[in-house]
Amino acid sequence: GAGVSQSPRYKVAKRGQDVALRCDPISGHVSLFWYQQALGQGPEFLTYFQNEAQLDKSGLPSDRFFAERPEGSVSTLKIQRTQQEDSAVYLCASSLAGLAGGKETQYFGPGTRLLVL
Amino acid sequence: SQKIEQNSEALNIQEGKTATLTCNYTNYSPAYLQWYRQDPGRGPVFLLLIRENEKEKRKERLKVTFDTTLKQSLFHITASQPADSATYLCALEAAGNKLTFGGGTRVLVKP
Repeated sequence: GAGVSQSPRYKVAKRGQDVALRCDPISGHVSLFWYQQALGQGPEFLTYFQNEAQLDKSGLPSDRFFAERPEGSVSTLKIQRTQQEDSAVYLCASSLAGLAGGKETQYFGPGTRLLVL
Repeated sequence: SQKIEQNSEALNIQEGKTATLTCNYTNYSPAYLQWYRQDPGRGPVFLLLIRENEKEKRKERLKVTFDTTLKQSLFHITASQPADSATYLCALEAAGNKLTFGGGTRVLVKP
C-alpha cells in the first residue's frame, strides 16, 4: 500500500480484556516501530523490529505487552489483561533500511486509539 | 536523566508572521535531530532532519537550526498560513534505533 496502515482505528475494551492491534508497514520496509502516545504528549518508544527480529523491547511497560512480526512484514501488538492506564494511541512506524541512530525518516500510521473502561 | 523539552503552551500567531518553536535537550549528544508535524487523529509526518554538523536547514517555508553547544534546535515557519496549524514534534536519536520525542508544541495560525 501507499502508507502505513493500522487496524482497528478505535478499540474500546473492558478492563481485563486482551486486545490485538495490527500494523501493515510500507512494503519493503525493513524496520518497524511501535510507540504509545498519551493525550497531549509525544510518542514514546515501545519496541523495534528489523525484519522479523525484535531487536529492542525496552519500552514495553510490562510483561502484559507483547509484539511480534513473524514474517518480517505485518506486526501485531498484543496487550493482555488491559488496565485503564493502557488507554492511549498506539502508533506504528516503518523505515526503509533500518539505519541506526535516527538517520532515517520514519513513516507513521494513523494509530489505534485504545480506551480501556 | 535524558530530557527533551518543547514549550507545552500553544503558540497563537497571526497569518503571515513567523512562528518559532524551541526544542531543548539535556544529557543527549545526538548526531541527528528530526522535526515532525502531527494533525489531530493522525500519525506524525516527517518534515526535516538536521545533522550535528549542519547549523541550518531549509525546506520551502520551514527553517531548522541545530546548536549542539546550547543543546537546542529552533524550528521556524515563515509566512505562516492557517494550514500550518498543527502540533510540531522534535525527535532525537536515543540508544540503538530509537527516536525519543518531545511533548510537542501546538501552533494555531489565525487568519
